[in-house]
Amino acid sequence: GAVVSQHPSRVICKSGTSVKIECRSLDFQATTMFWYRQFPKQSLMLMATSNEGSKATYEQGVEKDKFLINHASLTLSTLTVTSAHPEDSSFYICSARPAGANVLTFGAGSRLTVL
Amino acid sequence: GENVEQHPSTLSVQEGDSAVIKCTYSDSASNYFPWYKQELGKRPQLIIDIRSNVGEKKDQRIAVTLNKTAKHFSLHITETQPEDSAVYFCAASNQGTYKYIFGTGTRLKVLA
Repeated sequence: GAVVSQHPSRVICKSGTSVKIECRSLDFQATTMFWYRQFPKQSLMLMATSNEGSKATYEQGVEKDKFLINHASLTLSTLTVTSAHPEDSSFYICSARPAGANVLTFGAGSRLTVL
Repeated sequence: GENVEQHPSTLSVQEGDSAVIKCTYSDSASNYFPWYKQELGKRPQLIIDIRSNVGEKKDQRIAVTLNKTAKHFSLHITETQPEDSAVYFCAASNQGTYKYIFGTGTRLKVLA
């Protein structure tokens, strides 16, 4: 079945640094990937839609300069949290849809802790 | 904007009893409604889904019903087992965009 890999699974960084999270579709090509953010005991909030070869589409209230998304190939999207602060600490999950499939496959998530 | 409400936020049932979780969506263009189960710190796993041209779907102990007119859909788990304990999320999407809007989640606890 379709597999989405996310890396790193956990990352701890100092306040003010930038962190990059990768989302890869391992056995299929994905022209579109989705990035979600999940706070403890809360729902998954859609942050942005990552489009291969073009700019990402951000949801209302999500700062595009803060959360940089790059979808340079059909199997890789990256989310960079720039100048991270403690309030950016969260669980970030990506998802992708194989062509012809009707459902999204989720990555295992990346837990970011900003000290 | 698009919104999905989910109730209850927590649910405790005795093993063997049934559990029902309800969701309401706002976007009338939504035509696909998946349900996900998420264990602590792990990725959401799809457990069942329903499309807008169907009113009910069943898969062993799990069933989902959809009322398009009322914009309601529900998850039914029968003969619950301790391993059903997890957080369940409903979602609504338009299969043209595949943009999922998730409900707020229900923490289900099945007591042995």
